[in-house]
Amino acid sequence: GQQLNQSPQSMFIQEGEDVSMNCTSSSIFNTWLWYKQDPGEGPVLLIALYKAGELTSNGRLTAQFGITRKDSFLNISASIPSDVGIYFCAGQTISSNAGGTSYGKLTFGQGTILTVHP
Amino acid sequence: DVKVTQSSRYLVKRTGEKVFLECVQDMDHENMFWYRQDPGLGLRLIYFSYDVKMKEKGDIPEGYSVSREKKERFSLILESASTNQTSMYLCASSPPDRAYTGELFFGEGSRLTVL
Repeated sequence: GQQLNQSPQSMFIQEGEDVSMNCTSSSIFNTWLWYKQDPGEGPVLLIALYKAGELTSNGRLTAQFGITRKDSFLNISASIPSDVGIYFCAGQTISSNAGGTSYGKLTFGQGTILTVHP
Repeated sequence: DVKVTQSSRYLVKRTGEKVFLECVQDMDHENMFWYRQDPGLGLRLIYFSYDVKMKEKGDIPEGYSVSREKKERFSLILESASTNQTSMYLCASSPPDRAYTGELFFGEGSRLTVL
């Protein structure tokens, strides 16, 4: 199946530093998404990107949908302790089942574990 | 707020046991999903359902089955648990208008250990 390569696998940074992580794929995706998983919780959507080349910001987060539709990056500026967690990229393709119903299917990256030292 | 509730946060089972993981959502979502989360592998889709009594295989369905008898409930079944099924299991749901946006609402997860 499709695979996403997410890097880095882990990051240890000081509070206030900027963070950058990215995902690449050999396949094209219609949508790129970034999720965050806090310790002991399920992942929560941070940012969604729907057009190639799109650059989107959400507070201190900035993400881009690569022009080739095969990659995306997420930047976090001025990190704070509550940024700690696992960040997942996800690519979505639209498929159809045997009954002809279309649906979106997500493929997730391996995750980036972020640790922020106060 | 959307609430996805997984019945057990932690389970310990023995090899060969039948295991049921239950998931309930309270927002009348049509779409429900079961993922497995392992370090270094991310989230992998096991099964999903777009309607009651309907199911589709994901990327790693082997050794698992699912049941969706009611809209709000989606169960994952391990017919005969094996040690390689030790993992974190995440349930998620979404309404049909989110099917193309990629936004899923996840439960807190069920950590299963098979001895």
